[in-house]
Amino acid sequence: GDSVTQMEGPVTLSEEAFLTINCTYTATGYPSLFWYVQYPGEGLQLLLKATKADDKGSNKGFEATYRKETTSFHLEKGSVQVSDSAVYFCALSVLTGGFKTIFGAGTRLFVKA
Amino acid sequence: GAVVSQHPSWVICKSGTSVKIECRSLDFQATTMFWYRQFPKQSLMLMATSNEGSKATYEQGVEKDKFLINHASLTLSTLTVTSAHPEDSSFYICSARLGTSGALGEQFFGPGTRLTVL
Repeated sequence: GDSVTQMEGPVTLSEEAFLTINCTYTATGYPSLFWYVQYPGEGLQLLLKATKADDKGSNKGFEATYRKETTSFHLEKGSVQVSDSAVYFCALSVLTGGFKTIFGAGTRLFVKA
Repeated sequence: GAVVSQHPSWVICKSGTSVKIECRSLDFQATTMFWYRQFPKQSLMLMATSNEGSKATYEQGVEKDKFLINHASLTLSTLTVTSAHPEDSSFYICSARLGTSGALGEQFFGPGTRLTVL
């Protein structure tokens, strides 16, 4: 079945460090891919998305490229800030048997000043 | 962007009572809304898909008689937790789908409702 696997956390970085959170997926169809961010006590916010192979989603300094050949959608940021501390969820959406979104387990990021 | 609200943001209730959570799309019409449950430090678990004017589709293992979902209009869906018990305590999140075509329609999430059952 369709699934999303992302690296386990927590990830702890110092401010201005480079961030990579790995995400791979399996899907029977042609999914759209998303990264969502959840700040403490809040719901999910869409961070970025990509809808076809080689698309690059970007927002707030974060980037991810839809790699069909490696079925990956890794999240990167060149220089993290303390305010980036949150939980990041990789997700895919498919139309198999009706529209459905499948989330990864989430990766908690702590950024130290 | 599209905004989804939830009310209440948190609620505490006694065991055995029922609690209703509202989910509204504020600036768009949502033919489909989704209800998720999130346990501490875990991912979101889809509970049900709610389509305006029809019965909700529940995921396997979710009790439809316990978690009543009503999608009465294009901007409002409600989740009622009936006869709540402490194990129902959780963070409930709704989302609304923008657009109906293909997998391109992204979801917009409400801020969540934290339910605590004493």
